[in-house]
Amino acid sequence: QQQVKQSPQSLIVQKGGISIINCAYENTAFDYFPWYQQFPGKGPALLIAIRPDVSEKKEGRFTISFNKSAKQFSLHIMDSQPGDSATYFCAASNDMRFGAGTRLTVKP
Amino acid sequence: DAGVIQSPRHEVTEMGQEVTLRCKPISGHNSLFWYRQTMMRGLELLIYFNNNVPIDDSGMPEDRFSAKMPNASFSTLKIQPSEPRDSAVYFCASRLNRGSPLHFGNGTRLTVT
Repeated sequence: QQQVKQSPQSLIVQKGGISIINCAYENTAFDYFPWYQQFPGKGPALLIAIRPDVSEKKEGRFTISFNKSAKQFSLHIMDSQPGDSATYFCAASNDMRFGAGTRLTVKP
Repeated sequence: DAGVIQSPRHEVTEMGQEVTLRCKPISGHNSLFWYRQTMMRGLELLIYFNNNVPIDDSGMPEDRFSAKMPNASFSTLKIQPSEPRDSAVYFCASRLNRGSPLHFGNGTRLTVT
């Protein structure tokens, strides 16, 4: 069912480090690329999203880098904090099918 | 804005019983999605509606699952008969329109024994 391939499955980063999560998609018709963040016991919530007319979008410590020719996009979390520990999902369509998720742990 | 409201938060039932999960989307949102989340399969899209009409139900596992949206403010996901492998967290989400972010409820944790 997944229309995006997400990696890695899990990630452990030290506080202050950079977390990088990657997604790849196949359908060139996709025009909306969001990242969602999910904390235990909660539903996912939109973190940041990009459209294919730009190569990068930054919101605070979170950045999406988009490579249209490679059909890949990635989430970068700068200065990672323990509070960023969560599961992150990418999606690449308007019918909202998600990647497999990445469990991020930021160690203090 | 009360957000997407799901009920119940937890449901424990025995195999073979009927289970009904409920969702109230955000007022004014015209698309509604049902997802199932498990460790093994991640966050799976089961079905989604636009303007109360089912658009894609290809993710519904089998005939035991059915979903309805009788009006813009209410949707149900029914499992009959339930089986232990249906145990999961079920999420409902709504969005204003295509390209808008999804707003998720807090989910229903279903346990079938």
